[in-house]
This record gives sequence, C-alpha cells and structure tokens, in this order.
Amino acid sequence: QKEVEQNSGPLSVPEGAIASLNCTYSDRVSQSFFWYRQYSGKSPELIMSIYSNGDKEDGRFTAQLNKASQYVSLLIRDSQPSDSATYLCAVEGGNQFYFGTGTSLTVIP
Amino acid sequence: EAGVVQSPRYKIIEKKQPVAFWCNPISGHNTLYWYRQNLGQGPELLIRYENEEAVDDSQLPKDRFSAERLKGVDSTLKIQPAELGDSAVYLCASSLGPFSYVDEQFFGPGTRLTVL
Repeated sequence: QKEVEQNSGPLSVPEGAIASLNCTYSDRVSQSFFWYRQYSGKSPELIMSIYSNGDKEDGRFTAQLNKASQYVSLLIRDSQPSDSATYLCAVEGGNQFYFGTGTSLTVIP
Repeated sequence: EAGVVQSPRYKIIEKKQPVAFWCNPISGHNTLYWYRQNLGQGPELLIRYENEEAVDDSQLPKDRFSAERLKGVDSTLKIQPAELGDSAVYLCASSLGPFSYVDEQFFGPGTRLTVL
C-alpha cells in the first residue's frame, strides 16, 4: 500500500472556479503535511504546510487536514491559468517523508 | 540569495557507465536531500544528510548508488554502473534543519539523466 495516495487526474477547471485536490495517507503517526506545486519541467516548490486538524488559509489557497480520516486537501479559489501545474502532497511522520504521485491541474481560460 | 545549485543539468550515458551529480545547498542549510523523480511520479527520497551525517539512506540502492557530503556542505551522488532503469530526474533539496521535514525544503533545478 502506498504511503501517500493522490488522484493523478488530470483535473480541469474553468478560470475563476474552485479547484479541489485530495490526498490520503496510510501512516497514522504522520504529523506534518505539505502541498508542493510543480510546473512542467521545473522543481517542486512549497505552497502550504499544515500540522493540526482544521483549515489553514493563505491567500487563494486553503489546506484542510482531518487526521482521523487520514485525509488532507488543498482548495484553490479563483483558479487562474497560472495555477496549471502538478500538485504534490507530502507527508512526514516517524522520521519518514513521502511524496504522493501528484495531481495534474489544468485551469482553462 | 542563491538557491540550490546542481550540475550537470543534463547527462546522457550508456548503460554500465558511471555518473556523478553534484549539489551545493543554500548557504546555512544543514539538511540536504537527494531525490529521484520518474516521469509522472512524485519525488522519491534516496538519502538525507544532517550536516555530514547520512541519517536516512533506507531508499538508496546501495549496490550501485553512493553519496557523500564532505564538510557538511556540497554533496555528490554517484551511480556505478548505471542501468536503463536509472533514467530519471535527480533532485537535490536543502532545508535549515535540524528538524528536517518540518522545515520547508528548497529544491534545485535537478539533473535529467538518460541511460541508453
């Protein structure tokens, strides 16, 4: 069983809509959760981190964490074409660190 | 401030040949990571250094891969001999440390390796 699972997509949303990206993880001792964005041919860059249950908002991005359900999500409000990228979920716990396979997002103008 | 520097950016070799990748982390960053990323996959951690000590190399294929971080700054990842399945992008990242994964990781541009 993969430690971190994401729907590979592709996910397409119209410009201005809300994009919802989901991630589940298998290790209950996981403590830290991250969302990285990776443009095609580029390296990952951190956009959000979350450590406790609930929502964390940063501009147009909201991360949601539910440790009981072992679920973390990323919402992108007012999606822009520049948000088109692969979004990688990453999970840390027990001194282990794993990335998911990523979800490809396309925002259609 | 300069970011993580990696070289070369691209490398094409024939199978069974050796290859080496070099990484210079952000100044002051104690933790250094090497990842391998296959097409359509997320990065897979190969090895993590805290200063000059390799503290997690459980995913490093030790029969052909080796790494070093002399003096706790620059690092080199080597493959000898390379196999066709080693074709991937090799990413280096660094973070402040010492709490490792809690810190933001900054990635270099990567080295795209093609093994023919």
